[in-house]
Amino acid sequence: DTAVSQTPKYLVTQMGNDKSIKCEQNLGHDTMYWYKQDSKKFLKIMFSYNNKELIINETVPNRFSPKSPDKAHLNLHINSLELGDSAVYFCASSWGNDEQYFGPGTRLTVT
Amino acid sequence: GENVEQHPSTLSVQEGDSAVIKCTYSDSASNYFPWYKQELGKRPQLIIDIRSNVGEKKDQRIAVTLNKTAKHFSLHITETQPEDSAVYFCAASITDKLIFGTGTRLQVFP
Repeated sequence: DTAVSQTPKYLVTQMGNDKSIKCEQNLGHDTMYWYKQDSKKFLKIMFSYNNKELIINETVPNRFSPKSPDKAHLNLHINSLELGDSAVYFCASSWGNDEQYFGPGTRLTVT
Repeated sequence: GENVEQHPSTLSVQEGDSAVIKCTYSDSASNYFPWYKQELGKRPQLIIDIRSNVGEKKDQRIAVTLNKTAKHFSLHITETQPEDSAVYFCAASITDKLIFGTGTRLQVFP
C-alpha cells in the first residue's frame, strides 16, 4: 500500500490558470507538509499542518492556499499560476518531528 | 537566520571508494539531523538519521557523525556501489520544521 500519495503526478497548464494538487497519507501521522523542489533541486518547505491546523507558513505568495480537510489529507490550491511556479511539489507526513515520508511528487509545468 | 550548508555540491568516486558529505547548521537548538537520498525522478527517502544526544550512528555501509560544538555533521558511505549514485540531502530540525541542505550529487563510476 502506498504510504503517501499525490495526484496528479504531472500537471501542465497555462499561466493565469488555477490548479490543485491533492495529498493523502495512510500512516496515521499527525503532521503533513508541502515542499517545493526547483530546477536546481533545492527542497524548500512551504507549509506544515499538525492535526489539521496550520503551523508553518513560509514566505509563500498568497496565491498558494493549503487546505487540510482531515489529518490524512493536505491539498494545495494555486491561483493565477506563473512561470516561476514550475517545479516539483512534494507532500510529506510525519509523526510529530520524527522521520518525514515523502510522496512521489507532482511535476508542475506552467507554459 | 536558518541555514544548512552542504558540501560538496558534486562528488565523483570510483566504485569501492568511500564518499563523505559534510553539512553545517546555524541553529544551536537543532536536535534532529536526517539524511535523504533522492534518485533521479524519485522521492527523497530517509537513509539514516541522528539525534543530538548521539555522536555517531552506523547502518551497514553508511554512517553519520555529529559534532554539536562545531555545529556540523557528516555522511560517510564506504565501499560505494553504482546504485549509490543519487542526490543526497542533509537536514536539520529547527522548531517544527526541517531545513534542507542544497544537495550533493554523488556519482559512483564502475
